[in-house]
Amino acid sequence: AQSVTQPDIHITVSEGASLELRCNYSYGATPYLFWYVQSPGQGLQLLLKYFSGDTLVQGIKGFEAEFKRSQSSFNLRKPSVHWSDAAEYFCAVEGVTGGGNKLTFGTGTQLKVEL
Amino acid sequence: NAGVTQTPKFRVLKTGQSMTLLCAQDMNHEYMYWYRQDPGMGLRLIHYSVGEGTTAKGEVPDGYNVSRLKKQNFLLGLESAAPSQTSVYFCASSYRDRDGNQPQHFGDGTRLSIL
Repeated sequence: AQSVTQPDIHITVSEGASLELRCNYSYGATPYLFWYVQSPGQGLQLLLKYFSGDTLVQGIKGFEAEFKRSQSSFNLRKPSVHWSDAAEYFCAVEGVTGGGNKLTFGTGTQLKVEL
Repeated sequence: NAGVTQTPKFRVLKTGQSMTLLCAQDMNHEYMYWYRQDPGMGLRLIHYSVGEGTTAKGEVPDGYNVSRLKKQNFLLGLESAAPSQTSVYFCASSYRDRDGNQPQHFGDGTRLSIL
């Protein structure tokens, strides 16, 4: 069965500093990987996705993620964090099930940005 | 374009009461999903649907039923609510594009408390 681990429950960074959120996955085949962001009281917004090809994926809001098969990782990065980036971030892996895609989520990383 | 709309946004129930959560999408997506989100556990799939008239169990289906009578609507029912079902419920929908990839789009959630 597929699984996702986000080892950091909380992370605090200063505004303007760089950010890296860790994600490790377990999946038997080539994975489809996603990062979602959730602001308080809101639903999940897709930041970026990896399906195939270039292992460095660019997303919205200046985020990027790198797929490393040898490390089973898909870490999310941003060079310079803005206060508005404070939110909860979820990594997810997709497993195809009878036509629809079944997402398995990590437990999330809460990001706090200090001004 | 409203995307994925969930009603109601908040609800308080007594143990043993029943209710139905409604999810509506206006993007003509084939696939729809119901998740629950609990602190420290990420999102877990309850039920999903790969098309009108079809439903399937996800990771945590017990105590819930679903129906997909119309393509645009996906209903989640609690026949006899229990305190363990206190959670935030998210609906999502997705489609298959030219590459066969299916990003999920999420609603803003329904916060349900069972007393």
